Amino acid sequence: EAQVTQNPRYLITVTGKKLTVTCSQNMNHEYMSWYRQDPGLGLRQIYYSMNVEVTDKGDVPEGYKVSRKEKRNFPLILESPSPNQTSLYFCASSSPPQWVQYFGAGTRLSVL
Amino acid sequence: AQSVTQLDSQVPVFEEAPVELRCNYSSSVSVYLFWYVQYPNQGLQLLLKYLSGSTLVKSINGFEAEFNKSQTSFHLRKPSVHISDTAEYFCAVLIFNKFYFGSGTKLNVKP
Repeated sequence: EAQVTQNPRYLITVTGKKLTVTCSQNMNHEYMSWYRQDPGLGLRQIYYSMNVEVTDKGDVPEGYKVSRKEKRNFPLILESPSPNQTSLYFCASSSPPQWVQYFGAGTRLSVL
Repeated sequence: AQSVTQLDSQVPVFEEAPVELRCNYSSSVSVYLFWYVQYPNQGLQLLLKYLSGSTLVKSINGFEAEFNKSQTSFHLRKPSVHISDTAEYFCAVLIFNKFYFGSGTKLNVKP
């Protein structure tokens, strides 16, 4: 079954404690992306990757890091989380030329 | 700057009535356009897309959207909605490998 898997689904942490949210896709997609969803703001792209070892900033990259060492995995790293990073996070993957994005189920993060 | 505007944050409508969800974008270059739907506590799913060709695109469940280049719009329509269409709908554009989403429209279908 084609899918994008994010873990964990829910995470409560404290300010400054480094965390990683994993994302894996089994569709051999070239393009992967991270979004945050906040009420009234829709989805905003944090980082995206066109292929292995190729990453670029989206609209809201501050406070986040990513890496793409393998085609299937695209982890999101918060080195020093702050309360304003409390949000719902989605990972997605797609490939040209159709560019249809497949989304994970989401990770709800609370930073206290 | 690129942006996507969905003016209506909520649209209440009765079952079997028609509905239009509006989407406008700002870009001086060619774009690809998408509508995604999000049901409660789920990720987003593609509803339909416009990449090229016919400006009117349709989904399998009765939605359609028309790309209007002169008005930079991609409005979503359905002639008769069902209770099961209750969800949040997001318009998105792809410009130079970056995706931009609108703020979403919550469609609430009432019996």
